[in-house]
Amino acid sequence: GAVVSQHPSWVICKSGTSVKIECRSLDFQATTMFWYRQFPKQSLMLMATSNEGSKATYEQGVEKDKFLINHASLTLSTLTVTSAHPEDSSFYICSARDGFAPSSYEQYFGPGTRLTVT
Amino acid sequence: AQSVTQLGSHVSVSEGALVLLRCNYSSSVPPYLFWYVQYPNQGLQLLLKYTSAATLVKGINGFEAEFKKSETSFHLTKPSAHMSDAAEYFCAVSDHSNYQLIWGAGTKLIIKP
Repeated sequence: GAVVSQHPSWVICKSGTSVKIECRSLDFQATTMFWYRQFPKQSLMLMATSNEGSKATYEQGVEKDKFLINHASLTLSTLTVTSAHPEDSSFYICSARDGFAPSSYEQYFGPGTRLTVT
Repeated sequence: AQSVTQLGSHVSVSEGALVLLRCNYSSSVPPYLFWYVQYPNQGLQLLLKYTSAATLVKGINGFEAEFKKSETSFHLTKPSAHMSDAAEYFCAVSDHSNYQLIWGAGTKLIIKP
């Protein structure tokens, strides 16, 4: 149980285009979803937290207009990287928690999306 | 504020030797603590978690960790290293107020044949 999927697993796009990454909870209700960015050989950096039906809360230094997060349902959140540039190339990971579960403190992680902007 | 410190960005052990990865935390409330493993170009896999029950926690792949409140530590151990254990390991503590995870910098485990 508690499976999170991400799509696509990798994507290459041209500079200036937008890319959408989907994060889905397959067998539970994701009341909260988290989006992380991971640079090579580094730890995870939290970008934003989103609660279903509400606007995402972005961490300091993360551009809201560049990284658009939508969490419109209890099973799906999307991260759209708008007008992507090479410096946006990174590994993006989502996670989700089930606020209704006894173990609601736990986050379940997706497999990640490798974005390369050329 | 909560924080996590992982001592040693790289740890190298011989195959069959004891694995010890160190994690110290700071928290003003009883913490929830986690160890995750990440293989190259993959997502994170939960190894084990501490949630204020037994202080010695057993996880997957033969790993275990002991919560020591007096030392504010949650070190990860495995009696005998396998080549397949080579990966990046992350320790994290959960913020009770917003369920965010506070991450350590990670430790790369290298297994020598």
